[in-house]
Amino acid sequence: SAVISQKPSRDICQRGTSLTIQCQVDSQVTMMFWYRQQPGQSLTLIATANQGSEATYESGFVIDKFPISRPNLTFSTLTVSNMSPEDSSIYLCSVDGRGNIQYFGAGTRLSVL
Amino acid sequence: GENVEQHPSTLSVQEGDSAVIKCTYSDSASNYFPWYKQELGKRPQLIIDIRSNVGEKKDQRIAVTLNKTAKHFSLHITETQPEDSAVYFCATTERGGADGLTFGKGTHLIIQP
Repeated sequence: SAVISQKPSRDICQRGTSLTIQCQVDSQVTMMFWYRQQPGQSLTLIATANQGSEATYESGFVIDKFPISRPNLTFSTLTVSNMSPEDSSIYLCSVDGRGNIQYFGAGTRLSVL
Repeated sequence: GENVEQHPSTLSVQEGDSAVIKCTYSDSASNYFPWYKQELGKRPQLIIDIRSNVGEKKDQRIAVTLNKTAKHFSLHITETQPEDSAVYFCATTERGGADGLTFGKGTHLIIQP
């Protein structure tokens, strides 16, 4: 399975600020994904990041709020912009790994005050 | 878009008994059906998956069955053990790990000693 490192593991932020979350994988992967998991809830896909093209966002998520970069085949970032308390969640990246299986990072636990 | 219903939301079973979790989906184009286990504070881990060209798949105490006509699939855990206690999520997609996953709401499985 792919080894995925996500940073930071947790953060506490003030409303109105932005946080960039990094996702690094130990092998080249075509697709990387970003999910949100609100407290006690399921996972919801935010966007799909394919290297060399713009990220594809799901309904309810927009680029201005969640800009994503995918500069190469092992790295991606998700920025949560102009944060409000409603953005408090766990943000997870995942990759399309060997066998067409998705593997998840450990997540970033974000609290917005 | 795809809609995945998962039942029950909570399941309590005696240690050694079997547990069954069911999911239904709406998109007939879905052809990949993974199950993830998430322990408290941890990342989702794939425990078993099935693709639409098979009806059942087993891995030791865990099995998944798929009924494409009825658009439902189920997770079966036999001889449950305390370490099976976790939240289980079903998911679907059209292109395996190359697509973002649509998740069910999750089932909190409690194994009673």
